[in-house]
Amino acid sequence: GENVEQHPSTLSVQEGDSAVIKCTYSDSASNYFPWYKQELGKRPQLIIDIRSNVGEKKDQRIAVTLNKTAKHFSLHITETQPEDSAVYFCAVRDTGRRALTFGSGTRLQVQP
Amino acid sequence: NAGVTQTPKFQVLKTGQSMTLQCAQDMNHEYMSWYRQDPGMGLRLIHYSVGAGITDQGEVPNGYNVSRSTTEDFPLRLLSAAPSQTSVYFCASSPRQESYEQYFGPGTRLTVT
Repeated sequence: GENVEQHPSTLSVQEGDSAVIKCTYSDSASNYFPWYKQELGKRPQLIIDIRSNVGEKKDQRIAVTLNKTAKHFSLHITETQPEDSAVYFCAVRDTGRRALTFGSGTRLQVQP
Repeated sequence: NAGVTQTPKFQVLKTGQSMTLQCAQDMNHEYMSWYRQDPGMGLRLIHYSVGAGITDQGEVPNGYNVSRSTTEDFPLRLLSAAPSQTSVYFCASSPRQESYEQYFGPGTRLTVT
């Protein structure tokens, strides 16, 4: 099955700085790469996603880049704010199971 | 639309007890999945279904059963609860076409003592 690795496990930045989280995956046939934000005690919330036919996607302060050759994708958050503090998960759609395989998560702390 | 609903929100079981976690969606989604999330970890796939009458195992299926008799419902059964099954359980659904986005339920927090 699919294997997803996510780094770093924790990330602390100053308000206004940028944050970058990276994920690698194993199945070259994977075609959908979402990022989720999860606040304490809540369900994961989709914040951005990208399909395999696109190299980059941006939504205001959030962007995702995909390198299919190297099998990695990254989440970029610019001008971070304290409300960005949460756990972020990358995921990859397993084409066989039509469900998601998740990374282990990154705890982002934005210091005011 | 209510989206994806899960019941109960919280449950405490004793080792060896059985129970069913309920999941329902009203979006006519064909794909449904169950994940568990242990403290400080990502979500792991337990079982999934691509349509009524069709289910299959995910990454961590041992100790759990599922069935999908209707498009709307996808219950998860714990056969004989063990402390290792203490976790938060999330149900999710997604449409077969248009989008791969998964819609998550609010979760069930299960403690097995």
